[in-house]
Amino acid sequence: GENVEQHPSTLSVQEGDSAVIKCTYSDSASNYFPWYKQELGKRPQLIIDIRSNVGEKKDQRIAVTLNKTAKHFSLHITETQPEDSAVYFCAASNNDMRFGAGTRLTVKP
Amino acid sequence: NAGVTQTPKFRILKIGQSMTLQCAQDMNHNYMYWYRQDPGMGLKLIYYSVGAGITDKGEVPNGYNVSRSTTEDFPLRLELAAPSQTSVYFCASSYGDRRQETQYFGPGTRLLVL
Repeated sequence: GENVEQHPSTLSVQEGDSAVIKCTYSDSASNYFPWYKQELGKRPQLIIDIRSNVGEKKDQRIAVTLNKTAKHFSLHITETQPEDSAVYFCAASNNDMRFGAGTRLTVKP
Repeated sequence: NAGVTQTPKFRILKIGQSMTLQCAQDMNHNYMYWYRQDPGMGLKLIYYSVGAGITDKGEVPNGYNVSRSTTEDFPLRLELAAPSQTSVYFCASSYGDRRQETQYFGPGTRLLVL
């Protein structure tokens, strides 16, 4: 089955800086890659996703890039704000979605 | 729409007790899922369902059972609770032919087994 590794496990940045979270996956047949944000005590919520026929997708301050050859994908957050502080999960799916262990992002004002 | 709802929000069980975690969705989604999230960890799939009457095991099904008698409801049953089942349980749903669409999560049920 699919195995997803996520790095780093914790990330601290200054407000206004960029943050990058990276994930690798093992199943070359995986073709759907969502990113979820989970605030403390809340449910995970989708923030952006990408499919394997696209290399990059952007939505305002967040973007995701996908390298199918290397089997890795990344989340990029620019101009970070304190409200971006949360745990971010990547996932990969080919009819069997697996989640990474999460990255705790702290944005310091 | 209420989206995905879960009850209860929090429960304490004694070892060996049983309980049912309730999940309902009003979005007419065909797929429903149960995950557990241990502290500082990601989400592990327990069971999922592709529609009423059809369920299948995920990564960590041992100690749990599910049923799907309607499109809306997907209860998770814990028999003989063990401390290892202490976790936060999330129900989710999605719509589509394959499990590659956005999953919408419920608010979670925090379970403590003592």
